Amino acid sequence: AAGVIQSPRHLIKEKRETATLKCYPIPRHDTVYWYQQGPGQDPQFLISFYEKMQSDKGSIPDRFSAQQFSDYHSELNMSSLELGDSALYFCASRTRQGYNEQFFGPGTRLTVL
Amino acid sequence: DQQVKQNSPSLSVQEGRISILNCDYTNSMFDYFLWYKKYPAEGPTFLISISSIKDKNEDGRFTVFLNKSAKHLSLHIVPSQPGDSAVYFCAAKDGNYGGATNKLIFGTGTLLAVQP
Repeated sequence: AAGVIQSPRHLIKEKRETATLKCYPIPRHDTVYWYQQGPGQDPQFLISFYEKMQSDKGSIPDRFSAQQFSDYHSELNMSSLELGDSALYFCASRTRQGYNEQFFGPGTRLTVL
Repeated sequence: DQQVKQNSPSLSVQEGRISILNCDYTNSMFDYFLWYKKYPAEGPTFLISISSIKDKNEDGRFTVFLNKSAKHLSLHIVPSQPGDSAVYFCAAKDGNYGGATNKLIFGTGTLLAVQP
């Protein structure tokens, strides 16, 4: 079965650079979520989209922005990167049709030097 | 403020025995609970879930129990297998938002080690 695809899997950036993370949800899933997991921490919700509209916003810095496109893929744009942005970034998708389960991608490991 | 807590950072169990992972929550508006398994360098994998209107859900070797009055849920794995060794996250959905968001709030995880 098709799963959530995230790219790139690994990314190394310098401080103050920008990064773009991509997420391709499971086919026919209309809702996308972004989570950030720091070292030794639990995943923290950043932002979500339903039908290309932002549906909720969590602890996402103003330096970050995201959007969902017409093909339902989503991109997380991160600017003015800081050392503390180093983390695993997960994308999850679900279908709004009566299911609560979110299915996660493999994550993008971002390292800021 | 950690709304979902997993107080045991690690658990070691012998192969074939039962593994019991515990999770406590503070928000009475949570209406759906999920368990995820996570291997290093991979995303969380959905295991099993339970609605707040139920007290038990079973799927093969995995059973989740919910005690709403105690705001406590547990995941039972029986029999435990070495391949079950991973970090297990408990997660909750806040029903107060209806279907508009469904964001998950995660616990801190429990590292399960199943010894052969």
